[in-house]
Amino acid sequence: ETGVTQSPTHLIKTRGQQVTLRCSSQSGHNTVSWYQQALGQGPQFIFQYYREEENGRGNFPPRFSGLQFPNYSSELNVNALELDDSALYLCASSFARGGLGELFFGEGSRLTVL
Amino acid sequence: AQSVTQPDIHITVSEGASLELRCNYSYGATPYLFWYVQSPGQGLQLLLKYFSGDTLVQGIKGFEAEFKRSQSSFNLRKPSVHWSDAAEYFCAVGALGNEKLTFGTGTRLTIIP
Repeated sequence: ETGVTQSPTHLIKTRGQQVTLRCSSQSGHNTVSWYQQALGQGPQFIFQYYREEENGRGNFPPRFSGLQFPNYSSELNVNALELDDSALYLCASSFARGGLGELFFGEGSRLTVL
Repeated sequence: AQSVTQPDIHITVSEGASLELRCNYSYGATPYLFWYVQSPGQGLQLLLKYFSGDTLVQGIKGFEAEFKRSQSSFNLRKPSVHWSDAAEYFCAVGALGNEKLTFGTGTRLTIIP
């Protein structure tokens, strides 16, 4: 079975731009969660998607948005980028809704905002 | 609100020595507790988890953790570390019906020969 894959692995943007990060969930998983990991910090929950609908959101502004597709892959979109958005963005898939099925993480997309 | 404290930012141990990484949590209901490991440039890998039952849980790579409700702790232990254990370790807390995990700030483990 394939694991969680994320793209791109690294990218550089400037303030005010928009970015889209992509995630392919592990085979058989129907839930995708996104986390932001700033340098030297633990991951922080952005939101979760289950069957193409948002199923919980952390303390992030509306310019952070997402999508989940019928094949359970997902996108994270960030508009109007700010310097503090520089971080590693981690996608995790699981086979559970709401409950805590084991999360399988990808290797992340490292975003640098200049 | 749930929270996790990992009081040790950085720990250095000699190869072959024992290891204990500390984790304290705050959560009003019965917590689900996790330890993840992150090697440089990689994602998070689950080492072990506690949902209920036996308070001493065994994980992968020879790690174990003990849930102590009275101390709100879930410390990670390994009797003998290997150089390949050098990494960042994260403790996390969640709960059934709560879709998010709350992570601590991590403990960086360095292994010296």
